[in-house]
Amino acid sequence: GQNIDQPTEMTATEGAIVQINCTYQTSGFNGLFWYQQHAGEAPTFLSYNVLDGLEEKGRFSSFLSRSKGYSYLLLKELQMKDSASYLCAVMDSNYQLIWGAGTKLIIKP
Amino acid sequence: IAGITQAPTSQILAAGRRMTLRCTQDMRHNAMYWYRQDLGLGLRLIHYSNTAGTTGKGEVPDGYSVSRANTDDFPLTLASAVPSQTSVYFCASTPTSGSTNEQFFGPGTRLTVL
Repeated sequence: GQNIDQPTEMTATEGAIVQINCTYQTSGFNGLFWYQQHAGEAPTFLSYNVLDGLEEKGRFSSFLSRSKGYSYLLLKELQMKDSASYLCAVMDSNYQLIWGAGTKLIIKP
Repeated sequence: IAGITQAPTSQILAAGRRMTLRCTQDMRHNAMYWYRQDLGLGLRLIHYSNTAGTTGKGEVPDGYSVSRANTDDFPLTLASAVPSQTSVYFCASTPTSGSTNEQFFGPGTRLTVL
């Protein structure tokens, strides 16, 4: 079966760094996406990785290891507005997205 | 219109009633999707359309139907609503199916079936 695992909830302090992990088992792989979803809102795209390594985009970075079926999203210099759920999704061999349940990130002052 | 719109924003519906959730995009995207989002679960694909005139079943299609008469609109119909269809429904689109483009999401419809 296809499976995406990520922690249910994490807590971090404003100004700090947090790493949100995602492990996956899917039928085929055409890339991994990270989305941000604020409470009551739609998911919005953060990053896409298809090759191994780190992709940096401002305060956010995303890492992929295809051999390990593993990715993480790294958020630096945390701000209160970063309080949201972070969704990991893998594009399978049919180019359909398989979604994790999301990680709720709570930022404390 | 800019992006994807959905209507209604929220709805309370009696079990057994028929309901159509509307989705419209103005980005001329070919591929469109309907997801449901339930607490503790990831987004689950209900139906999709790779291009106008074609539709396909996703992971959880039972009890739902869709149509794609044109590029812009992709309505989702619940023929006879049941309480297990209580959920938040998101419509999404992407320029081309079979590609690795990001999906753009509408604001969602919160549906409660009593």
